[in-house]
Amino acid sequence: AQSVTQLGSHVSVSEGALVLLRCNYSSSVPPYLFWYVQYPNQGLQLLLKYTSAATLVKGINGFEAEFKKSETSFHLTKPSAHMSDAAEYFCAVSGEAGTALIFGKGTTLSVSS
Amino acid sequence: DAGVIQSPRHEVTEMGQEVTLRCKPISGHNSLFWYRQTMMRGLELLIYFNNNVPIDDSGMPEDRFSAKMPNASFSTLKIQPSEPRDSAVYFCASRPGPQNEKLFFGSGTQLSVL
Repeated sequence: AQSVTQLGSHVSVSEGALVLLRCNYSSSVPPYLFWYVQYPNQGLQLLLKYTSAATLVKGINGFEAEFKKSETSFHLTKPSAHMSDAAEYFCAVSGEAGTALIFGKGTTLSVSS
Repeated sequence: DAGVIQSPRHEVTEMGQEVTLRCKPISGHNSLFWYRQTMMRGLELLIYFNNNVPIDDSGMPEDRFSAKMPNASFSTLKIQPSEPRDSAVYFCASRPGPQNEKLFFGSGTQLSVL
């Protein structure tokens, strides 16, 4: 079975500061890992995904995440926050092909000027 | 490409009434998912289909919930009878195939049960 834990339901940063959103996973098989973003009143959009090709994954809007098997982590980072990054971010995991994505509870990112 | 289309966008109903949520996946996508989002529980998987066949419905809360996918282009999620605790945003998502590719989400249905 797969599960995801997102540490911190709310993260606040200043514009230009580093963004770090934490995600730890549990999986009985090699996992596929994803980060999604949700803007107000919208569905979720894919930021990036890890599928075992490379441990450092680059996504859209300057975000990246690093897969660390020893720490069972897949933290999301961005060097410099923009106001437009304010949204809710979800980490997700899936296992065998054909299975569903299991999402974490989400982290709300606030960016102040 | 119109994306995943959900209807209605908002639904307000009274306790005990039947509610039907609708979803049209992206053409050619073989997998369809229903999720429910609440503040308390986050995004929960309710049920998903591969090639119109329900694969895992263990997330469906109770017998009051049912989902169907009569063909590749349409799915419904029905709640009968509805209760106030069913109030949530219900998302439908589709995926091209069984591989672990990204999900495409609809805009959701905001359900309020009074």
